Amino acid sequence: DVKVTQSSRYLVKRTGEKVFLECVQDMDHENMFWYRQDPGLGLRLIYFSYDVKMKEKGDIPEGYSVSREKKERFSLILESASTNQTSMYLCASSQQGAEAFFGQGTRLTVV
Amino acid sequence: AQSVTQLDSQVPVFEEAPVELRCNYSSSVSVYLFWYVQYPNQGLQLLLKYLSGSTLVESINGFEAEFNKSQTSFHLRKPSVHISDTAEYFCAVNRGSNYKLTFGKGTLLTVNP
Repeated sequence: DVKVTQSSRYLVKRTGEKVFLECVQDMDHENMFWYRQDPGLGLRLIYFSYDVKMKEKGDIPEGYSVSREKKERFSLILESASTNQTSMYLCASSQQGAEAFFGQGTRLTVV
Repeated sequence: AQSVTQLDSQVPVFEEAPVELRCNYSSSVSVYLFWYVQYPNQGLQLLLKYLSGSTLVESINGFEAEFNKSQTSFHLRKPSVHISDTAEYFCAVNRGSNYKLTFGKGTLLTVNP
């Protein structure tokens, strides 16, 4: 089975902190994604990567950056956390054109 | 650009009743279509997918969806729901070779006894 692992289920950070969310997949997928999920808004794409060191902005990239130094790992970085970034963050991976597999999510609270 | 519209944000039904969760998409090219389910406090799981071939696709737990190209729809149906089907359901579209998977806002299905 494909496994997508997010490093934390719950995080509490202070405003202004630099926050790293880590995601690892074990199926050699080319594509990896970061979404945030908010009630009533569904899943919104922050960034995605289709190869090592390659990235593209999604629909809401402001305030975020990403890093993909190895194929299996995709990191989401909040440069300076703000309260409006309190959310559920979901990582996913896929082969090109196929379904995405999701991690369990990280619920981030910024206080 | 592609987009997905889920017409109902909440659908309450009684156990053993039929249900339909509606999904429409916009895209000028051929697409791949997906339904995902999210149970409380869990990640998203793939329920079923349409990539090509038969326009009617089925899942192992009794759900089915039909791809209708002329109406650009991919509605999800189940003839008789169980309380355990209570979850949020997301429709998603991928534009063929495009990497980007676009989701609808979700439909919360609540099955009452």
